[in-house]
Amino acid sequence: DQQVKQNSPSLSVQEGRISILNCDYTNSMFDYFLWYKKYPAEGPTFLISISSIKDKNEDGRFTVFLNKSAKHLSLHIVPSQPGDSAVYFCAARDDKIIFGKGTRLHILP
Amino acid sequence: DAMVIQNPRYQVTQFGKPVTLSCSQTLNHNVMYWYQQKSSQAPKLLFHYYDKDFNNEADTPDNFQSRRPNTSFCFLDIRSPGLGDAAMYLCATGDRSYEQYFGPGTRLTVT
Repeated sequence: DQQVKQNSPSLSVQEGRISILNCDYTNSMFDYFLWYKKYPAEGPTFLISISSIKDKNEDGRFTVFLNKSAKHLSLHIVPSQPGDSAVYFCAARDDKIIFGKGTRLHILP
Repeated sequence: DAMVIQNPRYQVTQFGKPVTLSCSQTLNHNVMYWYQQKSSQAPKLLFHYYDKDFNNEADTPDNFQSRRPNTSFCFLDIRSPGLGDAAMYLCATGDRSYEQYFGPGTRLTVT
């Protein structure tokens, strides 16, 4: 029973365009949401987060949007760069961090 | 550079033969976590230490044990590995509960 769902296993985006990665959750008690990025043969690295009291957080090319009524969050990367090719994990916290299965992002030249 | 180190990066063990994976950190974080990640699955929390306080997840099999002899080191012991225990094992540290720093992982193969 997945509480954090990333329904797209993979996504391909042209370099320079916007990448949008989506995440849905079921637990309304989650108070914090995070995105992690993972390259092959490396552990996940923290990318950006958002508190449940906000609806948007921006850090450079990365913006996370939270829609609590829809229990949905998304990560926008603008503009997409080749180094953004990686697996992106959505995660959410109640008393612990729960991860989604990840979405593999391919940035096409 | 402050970091989380996992050794070995690749471990092969035989069915039923005990194996220990290690994790060390130079971040001086209170919390250390062990996750299991199988192919195309989400990382699954096995247990964590808050300082010396051990917290086991309810669905973590008894086959998995952990030790934290000091702040810097944490070990994952698999007493009798089965074929289903083949996975990537990720260690992470944190000083707040919502941001974690991961090591590169140990890929365990069970033959």
